[in-house]
Amino acid sequence: DAGITQSPRHKVTETGTPVTLRCHQTENHRYMYWYRQDPGHGLRLIHYSYGVKDTDKGEVSDGYSVSRSKTEDFLLTLESATSSQTSVYFCAISSPGSGISSYEQYFGPGTRLTVT
Amino acid sequence: AQSVSQHNHHVILSEAASLELGCNYSYGGTVNLFWYVQYPGQHLQLLLKYFSGDPLVKGIKGFEAEFIKSKFSFNLRKPSVQWSDTAEYFCAVNAVNQGGKLIFGQGTELSVKP
Repeated sequence: DAGITQSPRHKVTETGTPVTLRCHQTENHRYMYWYRQDPGHGLRLIHYSYGVKDTDKGEVSDGYSVSRSKTEDFLLTLESATSSQTSVYFCAISSPGSGISSYEQYFGPGTRLTVT
Repeated sequence: AQSVSQHNHHVILSEAASLELGCNYSYGGTVNLFWYVQYPGQHLQLLLKYFSGDPLVKGIKGFEAEFIKSKFSFNLRKPSVQWSDTAEYFCAVNAVNQGGKLIFGQGTELSVKP
């Protein structure tokens, strides 16, 4: 398995509180991604990063922000958690370039977040 | 906008039955195609991928997929499923000119009865 860890693995929080999820990689991959997984929706991209301090929005970015101050860490913040953000959050990494491994993504173990 | 559609939401098979899961995408340009599997309680793992060349690609655990460009399809197949194939399967597409982003289908839950 790729060297990707996520913390925390489980979290229960109350509506309106800020929450930060952390993704840490030991692979030195340039690209990092945050997805949420919900039944019937597959995985949807929240934000991604294509380098240190370079981030962009995905398809479901409202209510989320990210930061990447170093290659190995990508943080996802829910500024004010809502019940609709109850989900399983996955981090992924990739190292785009030439060749067959281009854009292949490796996934972390996930964080199950419940907002009450 | 790009989209990926998996037509089967839940498939139930008996062991040794053949499997085919449908995946269609909407994008007119060059794509990279993936199938991922998620076993219960685990993270996504890559089953197989298509970038170019032979449209029939083989992956791990006896799975294969065929890219039919004219049909915008990338269906997953396995001749004989096992109970251990019980999992959720996701098709994903990367548009080559849009960086490394993947668009995922909704997923297909496969249940294999022993």
